[in-house]
Amino acid sequence: EPEVTQTPSHQVTQMGQEVILRCVPISNHLYFYWYRQILGQKVEFLVSFYNNEISEKSEIFDDQFSVERPDGSNFTLKIRSTKLEDSAMYFCASSEPGGGSSYEQYFGPGTRLTVT
Amino acid sequence: GNSVTQMEGPVTLSEEAFLTINCTYTATGYPSLFWYVQYPGEGLQLLLKATKADDKGSNKGFEATYRKETTSFHLEKGSVQVSDSAVYFCALYYGGATNKLIFGTGTLLAVQP
Repeated sequence: EPEVTQTPSHQVTQMGQEVILRCVPISNHLYFYWYRQILGQKVEFLVSFYNNEISEKSEIFDDQFSVERPDGSNFTLKIRSTKLEDSAMYFCASSEPGGGSSYEQYFGPGTRLTVT
Repeated sequence: GNSVTQMEGPVTLSEEAFLTINCTYTATGYPSLFWYVQYPGEGLQLLLKATKADDKGSNKGFEATYRKETTSFHLEKGSVQVSDSAVYFCALYYGGATNKLIFGTGTLLAVQP
């Protein structure tokens, strides 16, 4: 069964450093997402991406964040200058074209980002 | 705004016990409702869904009914197994102008033999 994959599973970085989290969505999917979960808190939406552009972003997704689909298979989240409060589990998701009320997003296993 | 509230965990049950995890939502209009499950070390998996009022979603012995009058989508299972130990997330999706899922905080279920 097709699945969303994410690398790395765990990333440790120092404050102020840039990190890139990578995701490979399901191959025929056209909508892509990033969510994050700070330990003990809710899973929060960060950004959605369609047709090579951001379709929606939350207030969390400030200028330090960017997303890219560099090669038609990968979908990346870059944090330009990490802060301690960026430490979280980051989930990538993808969905088929169409959407509608029975819309379903498929999630990857997550990347745990630790900023020290 | 739109939001989801789940009961606090952890929930600890013995095998074969009855499970209820409460979920209520706040939303205008008619969202679709979901339960996702996260097993240890894995990603979020869709467990079941309901797209309109009075719909019942079911999968792997789990059920949840979309109750518009009480704005609830409680997850139930008649007889839990050790293998059901996981974190369960209630979520809503609006569609239309937004594609995002709105999640609750998650409820950890621990089933003991």
